[in-house]
Amino acid sequence: GEDVEQSLFLSVREGDSSVINCTYTDSSSTYLYWYKQEPGAGLQLLTYIFSNMDMKQDQRLTVLLNKKDKHLSLRIADTQTGDSAIYFCAERKGSARQLTFGSGTQLTVLP
Amino acid sequence: NAGVTQTPKFRVLKTGQSMTLLCAQDMNHEYMYWYRQDPGMGLRLIHYSVGEGTTAKGEVPDGYNVSRLKKQNFLLGLESAAPSQTSVYFCASSHQLNTEAFFGQGTRLTVV
Repeated sequence: GEDVEQSLFLSVREGDSSVINCTYTDSSSTYLYWYKQEPGAGLQLLTYIFSNMDMKQDQRLTVLLNKKDKHLSLRIADTQTGDSAIYFCAERKGSARQLTFGSGTQLTVLP
Repeated sequence: NAGVTQTPKFRVLKTGQSMTLLCAQDMNHEYMYWYRQDPGMGLRLIHYSVGEGTTAKGEVPDGYNVSRLKKQNFLLGLESAAPSQTSVYFCASSHQLNTEAFFGQGTRLTVV
């Protein structure tokens, strides 16, 4: 999806925090999502945030939304090797019935 | 609870051959989707369905057809496969529009 952009790769050391960034272009986006894809598997919803929120925390995950800059980030605290995966940002525009996905960020956690 | 099941998991086709990918969900979801995943491009929506008997085009529908004859099944057909259709195909379903979408394990299709 051209409308949603992510950097392709991120490497962190085990125990550090990871921050995965995403930018989107449509100001009418209502919901923004983070999905995780492990090797050989489908996508799993990690968390989502409604556009009238600016932060959401769920255990080790923190989502920050800057609507002015159309910037979304996912912070993973105390990153573990099991967090190694591809992380997709996705947006739902207005009343659209489908999601628009970014290209995914490959997170590699080094021991 | 199986969730979303895709068959087959892998397939190699020759150019011009046809095939059907099957997606089945046991969660009584209304919405079902077919995506393709290509390197560096994320997931792109091919077709989707908002209920039994309905289908609609997504972002990249050309070369594909779909059918939703039963609520639990969503079929994706390739009438004449082309190398450009080499991809990983994911099916997903959701109960309502803004609720979580559950994904299948994917079908890796290679067209030679």
